[in-house]
Amino acid sequence: AQSVAQPEDQVNVAEGNPLTVKCTYSVSGNPYLFWYVQYPNRGLQFLLKYITGDNLVKGSYGFEAEFNKSQTSFHLKKPSALVSDSALYFCAVRDGGGSYIPTFGRGTSLIVHP
Amino acid sequence: KAGVTQTPRYLIKTRGQQVTLSCSPISGHRSVSWYQQTPGQGLQFLFEYFSETQRNKGNFPGRFSGRQFSNSRSEMNVSTLELGDSALYLCASSLTLQTSGANVLTFGAGSRLTVL
Repeated sequence: AQSVAQPEDQVNVAEGNPLTVKCTYSVSGNPYLFWYVQYPNRGLQFLLKYITGDNLVKGSYGFEAEFNKSQTSFHLKKPSALVSDSALYFCAVRDGGGSYIPTFGRGTSLIVHP
Repeated sequence: KAGVTQTPRYLIKTRGQQVTLSCSPISGHRSVSWYQQTPGQGLQFLFEYFSETQRNKGNFPGRFSGRQFSNSRSEMNVSTLELGDSALYLCASSLTLQTSGANVLTFGAGSRLTVL
């Protein structure tokens, strides 16, 4: 079985400040973790994924995510937010130990204020 | 390289009608998955097609169906529409099945269905 949680419906941050969008997961086997972003009136776009290896994963548009096995978390981060980063962010997990379709979180709306 | 194309982008139907949505995947992608996105439920998996066969299915009633053609294009159909079917329907393609490996999905812009 697998599940993913994004505990915050909305995150507000000022432009230029660091941002964090939280994601926690539960799987039986090894997790495959993904972050996607959705801009208004668009489909989801892939940002980054973790399969194995280095716990810090770098992705598109300056985003990175840190895999923390003990806390079962995969938080998305960016050192300096841009107004154009305002969008809906989705975390997804797939249990690599089984034949499961990835489960998506409910999404977190990121609002970056000028 | 063309992205995932979904048509129509917007449509309005009334209760009881049926609707067909179309999706053209990225060239070379053989898997097509369909999702329903609503503000309250987030992204819900409908089904996945690969080589013209439904390989995985989510927890939706039989009113929701789909098919895939030999060129990997896919359609989904919703019959006897209900108000609760109002949603953004997203199509996503990938090289192989979602249940193998850590495939990245490429999404279309979606078809926004409003049921009155």
